[in-house]
Amino acid sequence: AQSVTQPDIHITVSEGASLELRCNYSYGATPYLFWYVQSPGQGLQLLLKYFSGDTLVQGIKGFEAEFKRSQSSFNLRKPSVHWSDAAEYFCAVGPRYYGGSQGNLIFGKGTKLSVKP
Amino acid sequence: NAGVTQTPKFQVLKTGQSMTLQCAQDMNHEYMSWYRQDPGMGLRLIHYSVGAGITDQGEVPNGYNVSRSTTEDFPLRLLSAAPSQTSVYFCASRADGTDTQYFGPGTRLTVL
Repeated sequence: AQSVTQPDIHITVSEGASLELRCNYSYGATPYLFWYVQSPGQGLQLLLKYFSGDTLVQGIKGFEAEFKRSQSSFNLRKPSVHWSDAAEYFCAVGPRYYGGSQGNLIFGKGTKLSVKP
Repeated sequence: NAGVTQTPKFQVLKTGQSMTLQCAQDMNHEYMSWYRQDPGMGLRLIHYSVGAGITDQGEVPNGYNVSRSTTEDFPLRLLSAAPSQTSVYFCASRADGTDTQYFGPGTRLTVL
C-alpha cells in the first residue's frame, strides 16, 4: 500500500541549531515527492519538490531535502533554524504522472516544529 | 489575483444540520480538491475534480457531496452533519500539467 511516514510527531530545536525532519515513503514506483509547511492558522505552502535529477533539492526559506532511493526517504534539512520556522511540516508523495495529468497526493501525518529562543 | 479562497473561516453546526463550504479560485486551474485535516492524521483527500462537470471520490468521501459546475468554484456539501466531521477543511487547486498545488486558508468546522 502507498503510504508516507513521518516518524516524529513533535520536534523542538534551539534557534540557530540545525534541523532534520524525517520522511519515509512506501510506493510502487519512483514517486513524486513534496514537502509542505503549514504556519499556525494558515493553509499549506510548498517548500520544495523532487521528481528526478539531482537528489539534493533546494527549496524556499533555506530548506533542502535529499532523496535516497535505497532508504525510501526524503528528509528535510535546514542548517540554522529561525524562530519563524516554527510550524507543522508535511511530507507528501504522488505518482510520477502527477505533474502532467491527474493524480493525487498522499500526505504524511506531519511533524510539528517548535523553536526555542 | 486572490488565489484560492474559502468561506466561511469558522462554522459551528448542530448534528443533522446541512451546510456548504465554499471554495473558489481565480487562476483558471482545472484540478481542485478538498481535504480534511485532523490532529495526528495529516491531510486526507475527500473529493477532487479534474475539470468542470467531473468529480471523483478520494480517501474519505462518506458524508460529503461535491459538484463542479464552473472552473472557478468547487463547493463541498455536508448533507447531515455529524460530530465525526469536526475538522479543518482545506480546498486546493492545481493547473493541469503543473505539479504545484495551491491551498486555501481553511475552514474550521465544529459539529456539536
